[in-house]
Amino acid sequence: AQSVTQPDIHITVSEGASLELRCNYSYGATPYLFWYVQSPGQGLQLLLKYFSGDTLVQGIKGFEAEFKRSQSSFNLRKPSVHWSDAAEYFCAVGDKGSQGNLIFGKGTKLSVKP
Amino acid sequence: ETGVTQSPTHLIKTRGQQVTLRCSSQSGHNTVSWYQQALGQGPQFIFQYYREEENGRGNFPPRFSGLQFPNYSSELNVNALELDDSALYLCASSEDRGPPDTQYFGPGTRLTVL
Repeated sequence: AQSVTQPDIHITVSEGASLELRCNYSYGATPYLFWYVQSPGQGLQLLLKYFSGDTLVQGIKGFEAEFKRSQSSFNLRKPSVHWSDAAEYFCAVGDKGSQGNLIFGKGTKLSVKP
Repeated sequence: ETGVTQSPTHLIKTRGQQVTLRCSSQSGHNTVSWYQQALGQGPQFIFQYYREEENGRGNFPPRFSGLQFPNYSSELNVNALELDDSALYLCASSEDRGPPDTQYFGPGTRLTVL
């Protein structure tokens, strides 16, 4: 079955520290991969996406993610976290055969210490 | 260019009632997808509409139904509300059926069923 796993439910980092949020997927076909961010009570904002090509993709707000097919992973990184990055982060996967739906992980809540 | 909008923002209903949620897609987008996000979970795909036809459906009962209008706005209807229907309902629009078309999300409607 298709699935997305975000192993970390909650992560706390200090402001200015680096960040890596993990995402593993289980998918039969070539996946299309996304990271979204959700602030409390808000909708989802797209951070970045991977469809093909360069496996290191750059997104908004200084985020990047690396697609590793051998590890079925698409981890999100940021070199220096800002207090405003505190939010919930969702990894999602889809493919052309899925009739358009995205499958989301359960999310990782990021807290930032001053 | 306006983004995806949803109405109402919040809604309180009682068990057994019916509810209609509305979504206006982003300009130029012909596809709308609906997701349910329960507290502490990632969004789950309900269904997608492409050019006024249902294009795919997730694991939701028939009491969840939808419509898409010629201007590509959409409605989600839920009959015979149950307590477990309490959730944030997210609408997303995209330029075409996909992936790889990117889905852009609205702010959501928070539904509480008492």
